[in-house]
Amino acid sequence: GNSVTQMEGPVTLSEEAFLTINCTYTATGYPSLFWYVQYPGEGLQLLLKATKADDKGSNKGFEATYRKETTSFHLEKGSVQVSDSAVYFCALSDLYSGAGSYQLTFGKGTKLSVIP
Amino acid sequence: DADVTQTPRNRITKTGKRIMLECSQTKGHDRMYWYRQDPGLGLRLIYYSFDVKDINKGEISDGYSVSRQAQAKFSLSLESAIPNQTALYFCATSANRDTDTQYFGPGTRLTVL
Repeated sequence: GNSVTQMEGPVTLSEEAFLTINCTYTATGYPSLFWYVQYPGEGLQLLLKATKADDKGSNKGFEATYRKETTSFHLEKGSVQVSDSAVYFCALSDLYSGAGSYQLTFGKGTKLSVIP
Repeated sequence: DADVTQTPRNRITKTGKRIMLECSQTKGHDRMYWYRQDPGLGLRLIYYSFDVKDINKGEISDGYSVSRQAQAKFSLSLESAIPNQTALYFCATSANRDTDTQYFGPGTRLTVL
């Protein structure tokens, strides 16, 4: 079945530091890949997505590249801010996985804390 | 106003009680989902519905039931709540044209004593 593995947190960085959150996946079909962000006390929001190999998703200074050869979708940001403190979830949606079609499979989440 | 709303936002109940969590959306999406979130486990799918007449079980449907009263409304029920159903519950929606992208409500924090 499908699965998503992301690095365990929590991750604590100083403001303006470089961020990488690793994400790898296992899927039987041709998944779309996502990063969702959950700010404290809120629901999940889509941060970025990529629908095919070599696509790069980007938003709010974050970016991730769909790497089919390494089955990875690592999240990066060059300079984090205190306001980026949140939990980040990597997810995949596999449209060709039979009974699981159209469902999102989430990683366990990585909590990021950015300190001034 | 939020596109996906959930009521109540917080609920404390006792073992054995029947609980209903409600979700409403103004996005005009046909597809709706219920997830639960537990610390360290990410989100797991409970039920999903692709239209008013369609209901499907997700990964962890035991102990839960749902009702799709209209395109905009999708309710989750716990017939007899138990403590291990204490969790954060999220409703989500997606459009038929872009099924990958889901839009989440703010969540309902349920505590079963």
